[in-house]
Amino acid sequence: GAVVSQHPSWVICKSGTSVKIECRSLDFQATTMFWYRQFPKQSLMLMATSNEGSKATYEQGVEKDKFLINHASLTLSTLTVTSAHPEDSSFYICSAARGAGRVTGELFFGEGSRLTVL
Amino acid sequence: AQSVTQPDIHITVSEGASLELRCNYSYGATPYLFWYVQSPGQGLQLLLKYFSGDTLVQGIKGFEAEFKRSQSSFNLRKPSVHWSDAAEYFCAVGPPPNFGNEKLTFGTGTRLTIIP
Repeated sequence: GAVVSQHPSWVICKSGTSVKIECRSLDFQATTMFWYRQFPKQSLMLMATSNEGSKATYEQGVEKDKFLINHASLTLSTLTVTSAHPEDSSFYICSAARGAGRVTGELFFGEGSRLTVL
Repeated sequence: AQSVTQPDIHITVSEGASLELRCNYSYGATPYLFWYVQSPGQGLQLLLKYFSGDTLVQGIKGFEAEFKRSQSSFNLRKPSVHWSDAAEYFCAVGPPPNFGNEKLTFGTGTRLTIIP
């Protein structure tokens, strides 16, 4: 099946610093990628939709200046957590929709990135 | 608004026993339903999906799910579980295929533990 890879798998940073998480589709082009946040024992919460070559679409309540998303190519989207605080500590997961334009709704998920802010 | 409820947070099953994980959804139109599995430290893997056709859907790893519109349910089943099935299982609902919007709403997940 299609492969989506996230890097880093885990990261620890100091409060006030910024952290970048990469999401790559390794064997297909993804015009659309999604970023989720998963709290312990909770569901995946969609944060934003990342569209190649255009601005990301953020879900209600998600701070776009806090969580910067860049989808510069058809195989890479990045999520930057700016001025991180302990409450930003979470598991961040990306997914990619295979195919250009409209797709059939199957998403491929990365392994997730665990962020711990001290 | 769409929502997904997985009433069972944690289920323990003996290896070789049958399994049923419950999922109830709320969606304003015909739903596109999914079951994903997440192993520790890994991403989500699609087990199966349903939009139309036969209401009993076969997936990978011996899993199946049955769509029951009258009960707004999409329960996942497996006749005989293996120790490797221990993982977190997520039910999800989304818009119809090719709608151009792949936003999915996930349930809270059910953690499956297998005992020897």
